Amino acid sequence: AQSVTQPDIHITVSEGASLELRCNYSYGATPYLFWYVQSPGQGLQLLLKYFSGDTLVQGIKGFEAEFKRSQSSFNLRKPSVHWSDAAEYFCAVGAEYSSASKIIFGSGTRLSIRP
Amino acid sequence: ETGVTQTPRHLVMGMTNKKSLKCEQHLGHNAMYWYKQSAKKPLELMFVYNFKEQTENNSVPSRFSPECPNSSHLFLHLHTLQPEDSALYLCASSQLGLAGGVNTGELFFGEGSRLTVL
Repeated sequence: AQSVTQPDIHITVSEGASLELRCNYSYGATPYLFWYVQSPGQGLQLLLKYFSGDTLVQGIKGFEAEFKRSQSSFNLRKPSVHWSDAAEYFCAVGAEYSSASKIIFGSGTRLSIRP
Repeated sequence: ETGVTQTPRHLVMGMTNKKSLKCEQHLGHNAMYWYKQSAKKPLELMFVYNFKEQTENNSVPSRFSPECPNSSHLFLHLHTLQPEDSALYLCASSQLGLAGGVNTGELFFGEGSRLTVL
């Protein structure tokens, strides 16, 4: 069965510092991988996605993620965080279905920004 | 208009009440979903509607009753809820490939309905 693990529940980084949020997945075939962000009181917004091709994907708001099949990981990175990046981040894994979209979400990592 | 709109944003109800959550998507998508988000738990997929037909019910208690009258609207009818049902209920939509086609699976979420059951 597919699953997603985000080992860090809460991370605090200083504004301007680099960021890496970890995500590990378990899936039998090539997964579809996503990172979503949720600001307080809001729904989830897609940051980036990986389906195939280049394993380094660029997203919105200056985020990027790298798919590493050998490590079953899809870590999210940003070279310099801004205070507005404080939010909850969710990694998700899905698969190609023709009749439904089954996306499994991780538990999330809450990001706090230190001024 | 935002892509996916949910109403109400906040709802407080007693255990004997009957209420409904509404979701509307303006993206022309053909699939809609209900997710439950509880504190410190992963998002739980509750229901999936594909072309207005329910294709998935993840062992959700019958006190939650979904309705999808058309591909743009989705309801979640609530009755005799329990305090542990208090959560953020998120609606999402996506565009599925045609039968046998590729489904990219990208979900577009509404802002959620915060439900408190007293």
